[in-house]
Amino acid sequence: QQQVKQSPQSLIVQKGGISIINCAYENTAFDYFPWYQQFPGKGPALLIAIRPDVSEKKEGRFTISFNKSAKQFSLHIMDSQPGDSATYFCAASSGETSGSRLTFGEGTQLTVNP
Amino acid sequence: DGGITQSPKYLFRKEGQNVTLSCEQNLNHDAMYWYRQDPGQGLRLIYYSQIVNDFQKGDIAEGYSVSREKKESFPLTVTSAQKNPTAFYLCASNQQIGSIYEQYFGPGTRLTVT
Repeated sequence: QQQVKQSPQSLIVQKGGISIINCAYENTAFDYFPWYQQFPGKGPALLIAIRPDVSEKKEGRFTISFNKSAKQFSLHIMDSQPGDSATYFCAASSGETSGSRLTFGEGTQLTVNP
Repeated sequence: DGGITQSPKYLFRKEGQNVTLSCEQNLNHDAMYWYRQDPGQGLRLIYYSQIVNDFQKGDIAEGYSVSREKKESFPLTVTSAQKNPTAFYLCASNQQIGSIYEQYFGPGTRLTVT
């Protein structure tokens, strides 16, 4: 079974701090790694994604760091804000139709205190 | 407005009854997906369809059925054979943007079976 392990399960950060969520995978065929943000009662929305040909990708306050040899990738949220409080999911996929079948991590519930 | 609609938002059924969840998209996406979300377990793939009149089982297809008669529609039936049907159900569709395959999610249907 292809799996993606995500940690921590929950995270509390003060406003202005850095939030870090980690994911690890086993399947070396994975070649697409997105992060999704989900607010309560809503569907997840794509936040940022990376392919293994780069080690880092930054979009605004959100950065993905990717370590191919360790089979790990992480999401860093700089200057965390209360509006960032949500559940974050990492995911991975592989294959000819890369991106079409996503395997999700278990999710991290982030709370940013004012 | 383009997007994915799921209806209803909340659904209540008695045990032993089949129930069909609606998913419609006007994004002209070929691929559509159904996920189940339970607390602490991330999103698990139930069924997916790459083209009209074709669909494949995901990781947890037992007790569910789907159809894909139209590109825009991918309804999910939760049958009485599904042992634990109470969950949050998410429909998604897939679009390739450059090297990124973005999955768009609907707002979800929360099904409660008693």
